[in-house]
Amino acid sequence: GNSVTQMEGPVTLSEEAFLTINCTYTATGYPSLFWYVQYPGEGLQLLLKATKADDKGSNKGFEATYRKETTSFHLEKGSVQVSDSAVYFCALSERLRNDYKLSFGAGTTVTVRA
Amino acid sequence: GAGVSQSPSNKVTEKGKDVELRCDPISGHTALYWYRQSLGQGLEFLIYFQGNSAPDKSGLPSDRFSAERTGGSVSTLTIQRTQQEDSAVYLCASSLSGGKGYTFGSGTRLTVV
Repeated sequence: GNSVTQMEGPVTLSEEAFLTINCTYTATGYPSLFWYVQYPGEGLQLLLKATKADDKGSNKGFEATYRKETTSFHLEKGSVQVSDSAVYFCALSERLRNDYKLSFGAGTTVTVRA
Repeated sequence: GAGVSQSPSNKVTEKGKDVELRCDPISGHTALYWYRQSLGQGLEFLIYFQGNSAPDKSGLPSDRFSAERTGGSVSTLTIQRTQQEDSAVYLCASSLSGGKGYTFGSGTRLTVV
C-alpha cells in the first residue's frame, strides 16, 4: 500500500537557520504530495502541494519539489522564524471514489529559538 | 459554518465507557473524513462519507468504532467500550467533491483512563 516516511524529530534550530525535512513515499500510480503544518493549539493546515513530477509547491517561504526518480518531497526553508515552530506532516493522496484520502507521515516537530 | 467544527475539544473517559465525538463540516462540503492522530504515529485514516453513498469504513481499527452522518451534514464517531489505546486526537475533515478544499477541524483529544 501507499506510505510516507519522514524525518524523525524533534528538530531544534536557531532563527534564520536553514530547515530541511526529508520525506519519501511509496505509491502505486502518481499521487499528489502535500505538506501540512500544525501550529501549537491549532488544526492541521495545508502548507503546500504538488500534483505531478517536477512540480514545485511553495508557500510562506517553504518549498518542496516532487521528485519521481527519488520518490521524495523534501521540505525546505532558507531562513526560519520563531513563528515556524510547529509539527510538519508529509502526506500523499490516494484515490477514494470521487475524492481522495490522505496518507500521512509520522510528523516532525520543529522548534525555532530566537 | 466558516470552518470544520468538532466537539468536545477534550474528553476524558473511563476505560470501558462509550464516547461520542461530533463533527460539523463546512456547509456545502459533501465529503467528510475521520482521522486519528496518535502520539508519534502520524494520522491514520478511519472512515469516509460522500453524500448519500455507503461510507468507506476500511480504516476503522475494530468493531468498537462506528460512525454515522445524518442528513449529509453532521457526523458522529462512536467508540464503544473504550480502551487505553484509543487515547488520541480524533480529527475530522471535509471537502468539496473531487477532493478540492480539504479542511481539517481542530480535533477532539480523547484520554481513556
